[in-house]
Amino acid sequence: DTEVTQTPKHLVMGMTNKKSLKCEQHMGHRAMYWYKQKAKKPPELMFVYSYEKLSINESVPSRFSPECPNSSLLNLHLHALQPEDSALYLCASSQALMRERSPLHFGNGTRLTVT
Amino acid sequence: AQKITQTQPGMFVQEKEAVTLDCTYDTSDPSYGLFWYKQPSSGEMIFLIYQGSYDQQNATEGRYSLNFQKARKSANLVISASQLGDSAMYFCAMNMKTSYDKVIFGPGTSLSVIP
Repeated sequence: DTEVTQTPKHLVMGMTNKKSLKCEQHMGHRAMYWYKQKAKKPPELMFVYSYEKLSINESVPSRFSPECPNSSLLNLHLHALQPEDSALYLCASSQALMRERSPLHFGNGTRLTVT
Repeated sequence: AQKITQTQPGMFVQEKEAVTLDCTYDTSDPSYGLFWYKQPSSGEMIFLIYQGSYDQQNATEGRYSLNFQKARKSANLVISASQLGDSAMYFCAMNMKTSYDKVIFGPGTSLSVIP
């Protein structure tokens, strides 16, 4: 069982909808990440939160809006998405200390389809 | 800019045999970490093994070992005694001292274990 929980597992939304992806971890990790993964491609980094502050935004379009309400939760708010945004969205966490040696712990992902 | 290359898009191995998955990387940062992840068809990314740039010995974790050749900038994953459950995508990944949060992934190798 994964220690990073993502909900929902699947999401289908129209281009005018607003939806949110949720991620939760209880490992005490203080770094949390959002990755986007297209089929047969590697994960692409979107956002990183470190101690609940946004530390990296990889020039992601504003239709994706991250939020870190506390050290255990990470949300990704979606609005006015395009069909090309359809992908697997992976949440991950890692220890903030000794980060150079700390692996990412991934959730099972949310498979998003934009119609 | 940093880059990871995995030259084997797909590999086949007979059950119980050993297999080597190649990974080469390019970075000018003297301090970096190398990771291998496994992604089964279910989608979850699973951490396998870590090697630090200053580690004197090659990393091992159960059936996984890392053949680290720093001068050649290669970090090949060796899986011994392959099992059917090893069939998956395998990604080599790297972080660097300039930004340990920014973990980048190689394109991946699809491994199929044949009974």
